[in-house]
Amino acid sequence: DTAVSQTPKYLVTQMGNDKSIKCEQNLGHDTMYWYKQDSKKFLKIMFSYNNKELIINETVPNRFSPKSPDKAHLNLHINSLELGDSAVYFCASSRGESVYGYTFGSGTRLTVV
Amino acid sequence: RKEVEQDPGPFNVPEGATVAFNCTYSNSASQSFFWYRQDCRKEPKLLMSVYSSGNEDGRFTAQLNRASQYISLLIRDSKLSDSATYLCVVTPNTGGFKTIFGAGTRLFVKA
Repeated sequence: DTAVSQTPKYLVTQMGNDKSIKCEQNLGHDTMYWYKQDSKKFLKIMFSYNNKELIINETVPNRFSPKSPDKAHLNLHINSLELGDSAVYFCASSRGESVYGYTFGSGTRLTVV
Repeated sequence: RKEVEQDPGPFNVPEGATVAFNCTYSNSASQSFFWYRQDCRKEPKLLMSVYSSGNEDGRFTAQLNRASQYISLLIRDSKLSDSATYLCVVTPNTGGFKTIFGAGTRLFVKA
């Protein structure tokens, strides 16, 4: 019974396409995040939602739009994909502020060709 | 100066060795500290929180030095299965939702 699940696991797509990544958590956490891990392995926060409300929106192109229909779900939609968007995208959740640590999903490996 | 800095390694150690990693952070008001472990092509997983008094979990010991702004992770009696990247994680007090990950230290434990 996966705690934080994200789909798809792999995504290969052409430049200019629009794609979505879905994330769901069954831990009862009220905060969810999207992180990007690039080829240099840096994990950088993109967005954070707390009880469906956007809390953090880092310097991310407008082509990236998160949506949280409820506190158990946080999806990421990406418009007009570019080569530089290729990375692993991790969804995570935490109980309130992250003082208790995060639980991560298994990641979505996005390759833009 | 980076907000969270780690020696990228790799650290190559034989089984049974003791190995230590340090991590420095720039924000003196940082609130919470963690070590995560990330295996190749997998998600990061919480290894342990780091408390001011230091804490131990089996072969792993974590310590926090607020005066010098660093945290450490000590692994005793290394196992092959300890091979992974260890991420130092810091949460500033300006908003617990924005956690900063270090780039990680790679550890290879060899038979």
